Amino acid sequence: DTAVSQTPKYLVTQMGNDKSIKCEQNLGHDTMYWYKQDSKKFLKIMFSYNNKELIINETVPNRFSPKSPDKAHLNLHINSLELGDSAVYFCASSQIASGASTDTQYFGPGTRLTVL
Amino acid sequence: QKEVEQNSGPLSVPEGAIASLNCTYSDRGSQSFFWYRQYSGKSPELIMSIYSNGDKEDGRFTAQLNKASQYVSLLIRDSQPSDSATYLCAAYTGTASKLTFGTGTRLQVTL
Repeated sequence: DTAVSQTPKYLVTQMGNDKSIKCEQNLGHDTMYWYKQDSKKFLKIMFSYNNKELIINETVPNRFSPKSPDKAHLNLHINSLELGDSAVYFCASSQIASGASTDTQYFGPGTRLTVL
Repeated sequence: QKEVEQNSGPLSVPEGAIASLNCTYSDRGSQSFFWYRQYSGKSPELIMSIYSNGDKEDGRFTAQLNKASQYVSLLIRDSQPSDSATYLCAAYTGTASKLTFGTGTRLQVTL
């Protein structure tokens, strides 16, 4: 049973295109996240949603728009893709907002985005 | 100054030795700390979490926290080749409600 799943696993596209990445968790968690991991392996939070409500919106270009249709799903839509968007994007989930005493974030397998 | 700092490595230790991974953080408001392991091409997976000063042991892993020095460490005893991975330190800050990761330390366990 996959706890946090993402599709697609790989995404290769041209500059200027619009693409979406989907994430689903079957853990019953209330909070979901999007992270970006660059080529230097730095993992940085982009967004988090708690029960479909946006709670973290880091300094991310507004070309990136998260959407949470329900608490088990958090999708990421990217408009007008740029070369610098190439990275691995990880979805994660946790029971409650990150960092509570027994909270753990569970990561999806990642989506490797390559913009040509 | 980065919020969570780690030496990028690689840290090379022989099989059976103790690997010591270190992390410092800048935000004194950070409340809890996590160590994740990430194999190449895979997603991060949690190894240890620690919230109070002192040591916390789980099998071959021991996490150490010193809030006065703003320092977190992870010790891996009896290191195995399968421990070769990048280890990410993360700090949670309640005011920002987010987990901030360091850039990770690459560990190589040699035969």
